[in-house]
Parts: sequence; structure tokens; C-alpha cells
Amino acid sequence: DADVTQTPRNRITKTGKRIMLECSQTKGHDRMYWYRQDPGLGLRLIYYSFDVKDINKGEISDGYSVSRQAQAKFSLSLESAIPNQTALYFCATSADLNRELFFGEGSRLTVL
Amino acid sequence: AQSVTQLGSHVSVSEGALVLLRCNYSSSVPPYLFWYVQYPNQGLQLLLKYTSAATLVKGINGFEAEFKKSETSFHLTKPSAHMSDAAEYFCAVSDRGNNRLAFGKGNQVVVIP
Repeated sequence: DADVTQTPRNRITKTGKRIMLECSQTKGHDRMYWYRQDPGLGLRLIYYSFDVKDINKGEISDGYSVSRQAQAKFSLSLESAIPNQTALYFCATSADLNRELFFGEGSRLTVL
Repeated sequence: AQSVTQLGSHVSVSEGALVLLRCNYSSSVPPYLFWYVQYPNQGLQLLLKYTSAATLVKGINGFEAEFKKSETSFHLTKPSAHMSDAAEYFCAVSDRGNNRLAFGKGNQVVVIP
């Protein structure tokens, strides 16, 4: 089984719908991250969390919210999806800033 | 905030030729630097990282990178490209001020037979 699991892997939805992307990890790491990948733009940080009670905005948090339900679970929500949120979303974990990030396999979201 | 520059979004290299991907960073303090690789339909995985020990860092799959403080660079090389090296490569720097990693925009490597 993968150390970082994302669900769903693929999702097509319509403008205005609420969408939740879920992430769970078995690494035992405190730090969890949500990134968005767009062609030519690299990875941009949406939100990150250093423990269950700590949530921080990243570079592009507008239109997104997150919930850290447990050390192992970190979900990303789009309250009202719009087409420019069509992207590949990655969850990642790490032990600390200077340690390796471990990525999930990604969730491809298409908003029509 | 730290930033990372990777020039040339698409890089074509012949099979057996040198792979060279350039990465320059901005940092006012000694950074931790990383190269990640993303194979098609997969998440990113660590290729190698610099943590202020040896300036020449060896990674997986024959890749290595050299940290040059005077040039604020951390270029990635592989002497002989293989078809399996076709992937996207990302350079990243630890941003201690914001307590997170800053990623470059990536290089899509195409290997020509």
C-alpha cells in the first residue's frame, strides 16, 4: 500500500459543485501539504498543516479550505468549484522542513 | 521569500548524451536544496538533496548535482541519458522564513532515441 493515499484519483464535476479531495498517510509525519500543479507553473502550495491544531494558508488558498481530521488525514475542499480550478492536486507529508516530501499519486480534477 | 529559477520548460536530449538541468535559487542563508522527479501519471519522488555536507551530491538513477554558493546554483546532471529518464524534474529550496519548500516551475525532459 502507498504511504500517502489520495482519493479520488480522478474527478469530473460542474461549476458550482462542492468537491472534497482526501489524503491519508501512514508515514507518521506531522506535516501535511496540499499542492496544485498546472502545466508550466510547477507546484503551488495551497494549504499546509504542522499538526491537527495548526492550519496555514499557502500561496493560492483563495477558493479552497482544508480540514485536518487527524494526524494521518488532511482533506482539501472546493466549496464552489470553478473551471480555473481544473488541475492536478497533490498531497504531501514530511517530518520537517529540511526532510524529504513524500507525495501521493495525485488527484486530477476537471471542472466543467 | 526564497525563489527558484529553472530555465527552459522543455529540454530535449539524445539518448546517451549529457543531461543538464539548471537551477538557481535566492537565499540569504545556507539553504537546503532538492531535486524531485515526476514520472508520467505519478507523484513526485526525491532524486537527491543538499544539506550542507558535500557540495557534490549523488542521487538515484545516476543523477548528481553540485552546489555552488558563489553562483547560487544547484544544477542537475547525468552523463548519459536513458529513455527511462523522460520525466519532469523540479528543483526546490527550503524557505526557512516561511517554513516551507519553494519549487521551481519544472523541466520536462524528452529523450530522443
